[in-house]
Amino acid sequence: GAGVSQSPSNKVTEKGKDVELRCDPISGHTALYWYRQRLGQGLEFLIYFQGNSAPDKSGLPSDRFSAERTGESVSTLTIQRTQQEDSAVYLCASSFPGYYGYTFGSGTRLTVV
Amino acid sequence: GEDVEQSLFLSVREGDSSVINCTYTDSSSTYLYWYKQEPGAGLQLLTYIFSNMDMKQDQRLTVLLNKKDKHLSLRIADTQTGDSAIYFCAESILGILTGGGNKLTFGTGTQLKVEL
Repeated sequence: GAGVSQSPSNKVTEKGKDVELRCDPISGHTALYWYRQRLGQGLEFLIYFQGNSAPDKSGLPSDRFSAERTGESVSTLTIQRTQQEDSAVYLCASSFPGYYGYTFGSGTRLTVV
Repeated sequence: GEDVEQSLFLSVREGDSSVINCTYTDSSSTYLYWYKQEPGAGLQLLTYIFSNMDMKQDQRLTVLLNKKDKHLSLRIADTQTGDSAIYFCAESILGILTGGGNKLTFGTGTQLKVEL
């Protein structure tokens, strides 16, 4: 597509439930990144995909967080047993490999109540 | 280590110039960026500068880099109300992630308010 698409744009969930966040990158962008933006803070790196593999997962905050990517396209970030501290905007970005900058999606605002 | 700092707020009058400042700590940074985030939107790449450059100009935007002091600034000339947004400074080292990805380290953002 023309840009990076994320869904849903907003998600409210109860504490303890699992959530899935979806990212559809720009066609041809083999590099895909997930970041988290907490209120009033900068972006925290979560995970990097090159193609369908995730060589760097160093930013995932706990084992409740996982992500996968299929067909060198859509990626899903899953948060199990959500906690209130998971409330944040989750941003996906994609790029050509080795390219200096990313294109970001508009994010999913997750609220855990 | 990586750390990027910015002031939180800046208020200017329409038509004036805005200068948003940023300091970073990693001298290995390859590229430095300015992103703009409008309410409810993702981050839009405004401009970037390679670390061996001192200045880059792009229409109303001027980026200055002082590598010795690890200081980056973004000047917006003739600031308009449409420039009201949060501006993020970011640094990256190409290929720093396992597998060769580019990790961007962001500041906390500067909220620019443009008053009439």
